[in-house]
Amino acid sequence: KQEVTQIPAALSVPEGENLVLNCSFTDSAIYNLQWFRQDPGKGLTSLLLIQSSQREQTSGRLNASLDKSSGRSTLYIAASQPGDSATYLCAVSGGITGTASKLTFGTGTRLQVTL
Amino acid sequence: EAGVAQSPRYKIIEKRQSVAFWCNPISGHATLYWYQQILGQGPKLLIQFQNNGVVDDSQLPKDRFSAERLKGVDSTLKIQPAKLEDSAVYLCASSFSEGASYEQYFGPGTRLTVT
Repeated sequence: KQEVTQIPAALSVPEGENLVLNCSFTDSAIYNLQWFRQDPGKGLTSLLLIQSSQREQTSGRLNASLDKSSGRSTLYIAASQPGDSATYLCAVSGGITGTASKLTFGTGTRLQVTL
Repeated sequence: EAGVAQSPRYKIIEKRQSVAFWCNPISGHATLYWYQQILGQGPKLLIQFQNNGVVDDSQLPKDRFSAERLKGVDSTLKIQPAKLEDSAVYLCASSFSEGASYEQYFGPGTRLTVT
């Protein structure tokens, strides 16, 4: 059974700091990995999707890397802003027992960026 | 482009009552997902439809939960009878098709409180 772990569970940083969020998964037979953002009381917004054959994806100040063999991904946020405050969720699809589109989520990292 | 629509946004019921949630996916999306997100946890897939057929319902508590997607567009998720542990946010998502390449788009969710 695929298990996804995110560390840390919560993080508070001052505005302007660069930060890294970590995600690990137990079954390396994945199809892809996604990073989502969730604001309080709202649904999920997809930030980056990395296919299993890729090593990283970039969007603006966000960069996500994937090391499939070691079961790890990192989300790097450059020059953090108060508007980045949200919960960040990592999800993987596939695995031995999963379909290609079935997502297994981590519990998230709650990020607060202070002024 | 309109996003995934869900209603109601909030629902409070007593245990043993029944409740239904509605989802309208993005136009043209063949695949529809229902997730359950308990406070402090990541979303868990309950059921996945491809058009009006069920692809995966392995984590749906079938003794009390049911879902349908008539005509392959809108979907309803029902709980009967509800238990206290069903308190959660129920998220609907859709994607163009099944498969790891297709991004899932999430609705705002329905927050259910069972008292």
